[in-house]
Amino acid sequence: DVVMTQSPLSLPVTLGQPASISCRSSQSLVHSDGNTYLNWFQQRPGQSPRRLIYNVSNRDSGVPDRFSGSGSGTDFTLKISRVEAEDVGVYYCLQTTHWPFTFGPGTKVDFK
Amino acid sequence: EVQLVESGGGLVQPGGSLRLSCAASGFTFSDHWMNWVRQAPGKGLEWVANIKDDGSKQYYVDSVKGRFTISRDNAKNSLFLQMNSLRAEDTAVYYCARGSNCWGQGTLVTVSS
Repeated sequence: DVVMTQSPLSLPVTLGQPASISCRSSQSLVHSDGNTYLNWFQQRPGQSPRRLIYNVSNRDSGVPDRFSGSGSGTDFTLKISRVEAEDVGVYYCLQTTHWPFTFGPGTKVDFK
Repeated sequence: EVQLVESGGGLVQPGGSLRLSCAASGFTFSDHWMNWVRQAPGKGLEWVANIKDDGSKQYYVDSVKGRFTISRDNAKNSLFLQMNSLRAEDTAVYYCARGSNCWGQGTLVTVSS
């Protein structure tokens, strides 16, 4: 199985400041069709996960443009350009290139 | 509006069975792969199973193979998860998901004596 790791696991943030989360996979996430199926999710307290980013860098509809994704191969990053109060929660990366699909352990984002 | 509503969760003894359902609306159900994902209390997410749009293929994570069965009824816009031989470690909120971009609110399964 593809093992996904994230760092940091806890991220204290400051309102209005940038934040960044790293996600690494144990093998390349480039699919045989040429796409890279790396997704990012946000889970606010008490809510279902919500997908923010798909295929490394594509924002889902309604996702603020302060969220951006980048990376390739085995190394990926989610960036928040200016953290807002509603961004508190746990962020997960998910690979859907190889079965079984696997999530990272999650990064808890909270205010300092 | 896309809606996924799970039901069927509850308290069950170890070794028991439970059948989860997911009612879908607001989209053409038969056009999409469907999935079950679970989250143990206070823990991360685990992709459990998925099923092709026409029901012809199913995939399972190793920890549930031989015990869980995913199925669907495209005529009734419904997804199911039959869970047998349940264990304490199956205790979780189970989410129904369309692809990876639409999720239900989840249903809690508790396996305990």
